[in-house]
Amino acid sequence: SAVISQKPSRDICQRGTSLTIQCQVDSQVTMMFWYRQQPGQSLTLIATANQGSEATYESGFVIDKFPISRPNLTFSTLTVSNMSPEDSSIYLCSVVQGAEERYTFGSGTRLTVV
Amino acid sequence: KQEVTQIPAALSVPEGENLVLNCSFTDSAIYNLQWFRQDPGKGLTSLLLIQSSQREQTSGRLNASLDKSSGRSTLYIAASQPGDSATYLCAVRRPPSGSRLTFGEGTQLTVNP
Repeated sequence: SAVISQKPSRDICQRGTSLTIQCQVDSQVTMMFWYRQQPGQSLTLIATANQGSEATYESGFVIDKFPISRPNLTFSTLTVSNMSPEDSSIYLCSVVQGAEERYTFGSGTRLTVV
Repeated sequence: KQEVTQIPAALSVPEGENLVLNCSFTDSAIYNLQWFRQDPGKGLTSLLLIQSSQREQTSGRLNASLDKSSGRSTLYIAASQPGDSATYLCAVRRPPSGSRLTFGEGTQLTVNP
């Protein structure tokens, strides 16, 4: 299965600032997914990023708050903009690969907004 | 809308016990089901993937079963070890290919030495 490198692993940010999270995959993938996991909760899909097209956002998530780039088939970034303490979460990228369509996740970015 | 429930929410057992984690889903029209492990503050590690046509999958001390008609999956962990302590998440995918995962809330497992 794919190996995903996600950076940074954690950060503490001031409210009102922005943070960009990077995901690098060791093989080409069509779709990349960005998830948020708020404290004590399960994962919620933010958006699906396809190379060469605009990301598709889930209900409750907007491009101005969570802009996504997907410049090629192995890389994507998620920016958390104008952060508030409510954005404190773990953010994860994910890909799906293979005939069995197995999901693989990055190691996560633990964000704390103060 | 697919809903996924995991029971129990938390479980504490002594080392060496065999245990079962439960996952139920409301819509039986699934593409596959995947069990993950998550250590505190970390990403997800895929444990087992069961296609909708399969009944079970095994990897080492782990065995996952799927009963699509009743909307249930179980993860069986044999001879538990302290290193098994983590949160276990199940996630289902519905057709078509490429659709998103729906996650349960997870079971937080603690194995005491």
